[in-house]
Parts: sequence; structure tokens; C-alpha cells
Amino acid sequence: GAVVSQHPSWVICKSGTSVKIECRSLDFQATTMFWYRQFPKQSLMLMATSNEGSKATYEQGVEKDKFLINHASLTLSTLTVTSAHPEDSSFYICSAGAENGGYTFGSGTRLTVV
Amino acid sequence: AQKITQTQPGMFVQEKEAVTLDCTYDTSDPSYGLFWYKQPSSGEMIFLIYQGSYDQQNATEGRYSLNFQKARKSANLVISASQLGDSAMYFCAMREGFSGGYNKLIFGAGTRLAVHP
Repeated sequence: GAVVSQHPSWVICKSGTSVKIECRSLDFQATTMFWYRQFPKQSLMLMATSNEGSKATYEQGVEKDKFLINHASLTLSTLTVTSAHPEDSSFYICSAGAENGGYTFGSGTRLTVV
Repeated sequence: AQKITQTQPGMFVQEKEAVTLDCTYDTSDPSYGLFWYKQPSSGEMIFLIYQGSYDQQNATEGRYSLNFQKARKSANLVISASQLGDSAMYFCAMREGFSGGYNKLIFGAGTRLAVHP
């Protein structure tokens, strides 16, 4: 079945640095990728929707300059957290949309900013 | 406006018994899809079951079934014969419209299920 590989699984970075999270679709073309953030014991909150070759659409309240999304190819989408701060510590997970109407999720990335 | 509501923050069930996790939704779009996902402590999202708004019958997948009551806008998940491995967080989600997988999926707050031996 469709697989989305998300890396890294976990990352610790210093405050002020940037972190890049990658999601690769391994055996299908991901035209649309959704990026979610999940704080402990909370739900998945949609951050943005990216379509290959075009600018991402950000949800209200999400800083587009802080959370840079690139979807330059049909198999790779990246989320870069720029100038990370402790409040950005969270679980980030991507999801690729499929033509059959389903979604394939990555395994998630636990970001800790110290 | 909150579109997916899960009113049970936590649920307990005895092993081998059935449990129902509640989900109500709100949409004005006649075409929509409802999903249930399981999230264990590892964080991965495991797809359980799907119900389309035009589906005539309630969806079933093994021990999972969806009690879809369209007029009441509810899509409750029923897990039969609970197992210890069912202990996890469960999310109800909705996609409005149908454009393949290109419409965003919105999640409810989730219900944490604990299965006791």
C-alpha cells in the first residue's frame, strides 16, 4: 500500500535554529500534502495544505514565515520550522491525499526545542 | 466553529466487551466523508474505517463498525470484542466535499480508550 516516510522521527534543537522535516511518498505521487501539529494529549491541528508546484495554503493563525512548506516534487514535501523556540516543541505529522479519497500519514516527528 | 465533536475524553472497557465511541459532526456540504483513526502512544495514525455521506449501509471493518446516523449527524465507532491492544487514542475526522484526497481532513478532540483485563 501507499507509504509516506517521514524523517526525522525525533529531533532536539537549540532555540533560534531551524529544523527541516521531510515527508516522502515512496510508491505513489503525492499531489497534495497536509501538515499537522499535535500538542500532548490534544488533537491534530491542520497547519497547512501544500500542492506540488504551488504555494502552500496556511490555516488561520499559522505563521507562514515561521513554518516554511516546500512541495517541489510529487514525492517530497518539507516543513521547516525557522528560528525555533520552546513553544514550537510539538509532534508534527504529514498526510498525503490519495485519489481514492483516503489519506496516508507519515509516522510523525517529535520536535523538542531547548 | 467546531465541526467534529467527540464528547468522551476517556473511556474504559473490559476486555472482550464492546465499546462505542461517540462522534458528531456539522456540515452543510451534502458530500462528505467520515474517518476513524487510532493513535497509539507511538504517534502513528492508523486508519480504521470510512463512511461516505452517500453510503447506504454502515461501514464495517473486522471488529470495527460505524453507526452512521445521517439525520442526527453522528458517526459513532463500535469496537467489538475489545482487546488489550485496542488501548489508544481514537480520533474521528471529517472531509467535506469529495475531490479525491485533496480536501483537508479535520479532526475531533479524540477519545482515550483504556481496555482492562
